[in-house]
Amino acid sequence: DIVLTQSPLSLSVTPGESVSISCRCSESLGQSAQHHYLDWYLQKPGQSPEVLIYLASTRASGVPDRFSGSGSGTDFTLRISRVEAEDVGVYYCMQALQTPFTFGQGTNLEIK
Amino acid sequence: QITLRESGPTLVKPTQTLTLTCTFSGFSLNTGGVGVGWIRQPPGKALEWLALIYWNDDKRYSPYVKNSLTISKDTSKDQVVFTMTNMDPVDTATYYCAHLVSTMTTGYFQDWGQGILVTVSS
Repeated sequence: DIVLTQSPLSLSVTPGESVSISCRCSESLGQSAQHHYLDWYLQKPGQSPEVLIYLASTRASGVPDRFSGSGSGTDFTLRISRVEAEDVGVYYCMQALQTPFTFGQGTNLEIK
Repeated sequence: QITLRESGPTLVKPTQTLTLTCTFSGFSLNTGGVGVGWIRQPPGKALEWLALIYWNDDKRYSPYVKNSLTISKDTSKDQVVFTMTNMDPVDTATYYCAHLVSTMTTGYFQDWGQGILVTVSS
C-alpha cells in the first residue's frame, strides 16, 4: 500500500506570504505527465474537505489561481502564493492510483 | 448542483453494527467513471479512506480496518449504504461520503457530504 508523508505538519504564515507543502509517496504514482493520481484537499475549520487540485496540477473548479500543484513520481508539492486569511485549515494529499486510497497526515496552516 | 447527505445513528454501542446511508443528487451512479466513497475522521485526526463503490458495482475496502465492511448501491433511490460491524470506541469519528470522479488518468473526490459524527459508547 502507498504511504504518503507530508511536510511540514504545521505552518504559521503572515498574509501575503507564499508557502509550499510537500507530499512524498512510498511508491511512484506514475512518470507520465498524463497519469498522476495525486490530489490535494483543504479542510477548513468545522467543514468537510474540498478538493483543490487533482491530477497533481489541475485546479478544481472555483479554486483561485494562488493555488498550484506540481510534481511527479513520488514527490509532489502544493504551493500557495499570497496566503489569505481564508486559506486557514488542514491540507491533505491523497493518492487515487490504487486502493486502498491513502491520505497524508495533514498540514495545519495558521495565519499569524 | 451535486449534494450528498449522510444519515444514520449518531450513537452506537460497542459490538453493534453501524449502518450509514449516503443519499445523493446531481449525478448518477450509472455513469461510467463515477463512484461513491466513505471516509472517516476521528476527532482531531486525519482522514482515513474506508470503502468505495463504482458505477459498475466494483467494490473496494480498506484492509486496515479490523471491522467487516460492506458497501452497496441502490441506483433507483440514488443511495449508497455502508455497514461496519463490531463497532468499538476507537471507531468514534465523523463519517463522510464523497462523490468520486475517475478516468483513465485521474481520480478524486469532487464533492463531499457534511459528515455525520458517530460516537461509540455503552
